[in-house]
Amino acid sequence: RKEVEQDPGPFNVPEGATVAFNCTYSNSASQSFFWYRQDCRKEPKLLMSVYSSGNEDGRFTAQLNRASQYISLLIRDSKLSDSATYLCVVRNAGNMLTFGGGTRLMVKP
Amino acid sequence: DAGITQSPRHKVTETGTPVTLRCHQTENHRYMYWYRQDPGHGLRLIHYSYGVKDTDKGEVSDGYSVSRSKTEDFLLTLESATSSQTSVYFCAISESRAGGIGEQFFGPGTRLTVL
Repeated sequence: RKEVEQDPGPFNVPEGATVAFNCTYSNSASQSFFWYRQDCRKEPKLLMSVYSSGNEDGRFTAQLNRASQYISLLIRDSKLSDSATYLCVVRNAGNMLTFGGGTRLMVKP
Repeated sequence: DAGITQSPRHKVTETGTPVTLRCHQTENHRYMYWYRQDPGHGLRLIHYSYGVKDTDKGEVSDGYSVSRSKTEDFLLTLESATSSQTSVYFCAISESRAGGIGEQFFGPGTRLTVL
């Protein structure tokens, strides 16, 4: 079983739609959680950290469920520019990051 | 954007040849990392450094070595390249923050093809 698992997609949605991604992690000792965004043939960039109480940044909402060991990302009012691969990332006790394989989102006009 | 450059950006080489990839940062960050990214595997850590001359192995270190003689440079060497090392290689940097290590910033990547 992979340490961080994501549905690879692609998720094809129309502009303006709401879309949600989930990610599960296997290490219950994981300490911190993040969503990164990666555009085609580009480097990953931090989208947002995920806090236990849930957090929101504009159209993006991230939530953490430690009991069930999953993380979610909700995107409201999707834009064409949201098309990318979204990486779920977990930091373990050794301060190393483990990346999920990514979920590809394609927003259509 | 964080000041991280990687060179070369693209390289095609033959099996059995040595290859060195360079990561250069202008941020004076303590931590530097080398990852490889392959379809179906996501990003996997090869080696990392927590200071000048201080390095350690990551998840997929076999066939790779690293060196860090200066804060700003982190070199990744494939002593004898194999076709299984065809991949996209990313360098990343981060710095200590209260409570741990902060965000990782990634370089633009190097596309390596081993024929």
